[in-house]
Amino acid sequence: AQRVTQPEKLLSVFKGAPVELKCNYSYSGSPELFWYVQYSRQRLQLLLRHISRESIKGFTADLNKGETSFHLKKPFAQEEDSAMYYCALRGSSGSARQLTFGSGTQLTVLP
Amino acid sequence: EAGVAQSPRYKIIEKRQSVAFWCNPISGHATLYWYQQILGQGPKLLIQFQNNGVVDDSQLPKDRFSAERLKGVDSTLKIQPAKLEDSAVYLCASSLGLLARNEQFFGPGTRLTVL
Repeated sequence: AQRVTQPEKLLSVFKGAPVELKCNYSYSGSPELFWYVQYSRQRLQLLLRHISRESIKGFTADLNKGETSFHLKKPFAQEEDSAMYYCALRGSSGSARQLTFGSGTQLTVLP
Repeated sequence: EAGVAQSPRYKIIEKRQSVAFWCNPISGHATLYWYQQILGQGPKLLIQFQNNGVVDDSQLPKDRFSAERLKGVDSTLKIQPAKLEDSAVYLCASSLGLLARNEQFFGPGTRLTVL
């Protein structure tokens, strides 16, 4: 069975500081990893996916298959980054192709 | 373009009552998903439709939950009878199709409280 673990429920950083939201996964095959974000009073939306290898709103995430991690990073946090962040995994076949979400990390960027 | 629509936004019922949620996906999206999000947890897939057919309902508690998408557009999710542990936000999402590259777009959710 696939599993996504986000060890931090809450994370606070000051504006301008680096931020890293941790995500570890368990899956025997080749997974696709995603980060979703939910800003206050807004819908859950896709932030980035590992296959795109892109930077969105200054955030990047690298898939580390050796450590089975997909941590989300930003060098200089902004107040508008305050939100709930979910890491998600999609497996490669059958019912594993459904999105499995972690429990989320609430990021607060302090002024 | 208009996003995924859901109604009602909030619902309070007593245990053993029935409840139904409605979802209208983005126009042209063939794939529709229902998720359950319990407080403090991430969304969990309940059922996935491709047009009007079920692709995956492995995590749907079929003794009390049912869902349909008869015409391949709108969908309803029903709980009968509700239990206290069904209190959650029910999210609907849609995507163009089943391919991995197709992004899922989420609705605002229906917050269900079972008393």
